[in-house]
Amino acid sequence: DVKVTQSSRYLVKRTGEKVFLECVQDMDHENMFWYRQDPGLGLRLIYFSYDVKMKEKGDIPEGYSVSREKKERFSLILESASTNQTSMYLCASKSGLLNTEAFFGQGTRLTVV
Amino acid sequence: GNSVTQMEGPVTLSEEAFLTINCTYTATGYPSLFWYVQYPGEGLQLLLKATKADDKGSNKGFEATYRKETTSFHLEKGSVQVSDSAVYFCALSDRGRTDSWGKLQFGAGTQVVVTP
Repeated sequence: DVKVTQSSRYLVKRTGEKVFLECVQDMDHENMFWYRQDPGLGLRLIYFSYDVKMKEKGDIPEGYSVSREKKERFSLILESASTNQTSMYLCASKSGLLNTEAFFGQGTRLTVV
Repeated sequence: GNSVTQMEGPVTLSEEAFLTINCTYTATGYPSLFWYVQYPGEGLQLLLKATKADDKGSNKGFEATYRKETTSFHLEKGSVQVSDSAVYFCALSDRGRTDSWGKLQFGAGTQVVVTP
C-alpha cells in the first residue's frame, strides 16, 4: 500500500514564524506535490518536484518555498507565516508523469494567528 | 491555460437516489481525466479515471465517460448510500504539454450529502 505521510494533522503558528510542513512517501515516487485546499477554490498547486533537488513553481508559490534533499521527503516552508496562509495543506506523490494516479496524505490544517 | 469547472454544491440527496455531478474542462492538449473523492477527515483518493476519448471509468458503482466533443466528464451513480457522503473533485492531467510534468489541475470540488 502506498503511503504518503504528513508530519502533523493540525498546527497553530503565530504570524511571522517560519513554518515547516513535512511529507514522506514510501513508494520511491519521482514526483511530489504540495497543494493548498480552500473552500470554493478546490486544490491549488503551490510547488512540485520531479526529482531530488529539482522543483518547479505551481500556480500560487508566493510566500512559500520547498526543499527536496531526499527522494522520499518533500518539505514546504512558510518563510514568514501570515494569516492568509491559514489553510489545509495536502501533499501528494506519483510515479512517472502525466497519466498516473497521485496519492495524497491526510492533510495538515494550519492556522496562523 | 487548462481549467476544470464542476457544479457547485452542496448536493443533498436521499439514500438510493441517482447522483450526477457535472464536470467540464478546457485543455490545450489531450488530457487524462480523473475523479477524486475526499471523505471527512481524510486526504484525497482516486475514484476513477479515463485516459482517452470515449473511455468509461468506473469504480464502487460510480461511472464517468470521457466526452471529447462536449469536453465533459460527468460523474454518475445510480443509487447512492450514506457512505457516499464526501467531497468529489474532478481533475485533469494534460499529456499534450511537455512542460506540464503530469501535474493535476483540480476543480473546486462538490460536496455531496446523502441522508437516510
